[in-house]
Amino acid sequence: SQQGEEDPQALSIQEGENATMNCSYKTSINNLQWYRQNSGRGLVHLILIRSNEREKHSGRLRVTLDTSKKSSSLLITASRAADTASYFCATWKNNAGNMLTFGGGTRLMVKP
Amino acid sequence: ETGVTQTPRHLVMGMTNKKSLKCEQHLGHNAMYWYKQSAKKPLELMFVYSLEERVENNSVPSRFSPECPNSSHLFLHLHTLQPEDSALYLCASSQDWTRDAEQYFGPGTRLTVT
Repeated sequence: SQQGEEDPQALSIQEGENATMNCSYKTSINNLQWYRQNSGRGLVHLILIRSNEREKHSGRLRVTLDTSKKSSSLLITASRAADTASYFCATWKNNAGNMLTFGGGTRLMVKP
Repeated sequence: ETGVTQTPRHLVMGMTNKKSLKCEQHLGHNAMYWYKQSAKKPLELMFVYSLEERVENNSVPSRFSPECPNSSHLFLHLHTLQPEDSALYLCASSQDWTRDAEQYFGPGTRLTVT
């Protein structure tokens, strides 16, 4: 199965609520990145967390990384309708190729 | 919108046609990438170029042929494609081909093979 799998596949919330998305991976990593994609468009880099980091913040985004569980979470606080998009985690594996591997994504819908 | 442009944005081609996708980055980056995004499948890396040299070819069929004439331009030449090749083709660039490099994506070319 693939490196980097997001959960849930789809999430629908009301504006103002928090949204939490999870990502699991299978092999050891150097870093994990989160990207956002608006419908049918290119991806936008959100945040990178290294394997020796446990938590990182950027504006309304909070990312955690648990290497013992091989999982990461992305929390978007006080969501807005403009946050509606698909969110992908991507991992850069250690010593196994030189590429980012993306998960299948979580489709987030924020209702106004 | 992000310094990476792609043309055309939409392309419909028959299986016997030959066409090319173009990507241009205005960011002074040294690495460029082609990705394929199909419905209900994860984003798949196709090719990586670093300093105009191909450094990764992720088991892509030969009907896809990349070209990187300089560090700002990347092409994907298409010939005798199959309907299953219909997808969104995304180009990306990064400062360098390193593990910490943030990738900047273009808007993509929506390809339909009939």
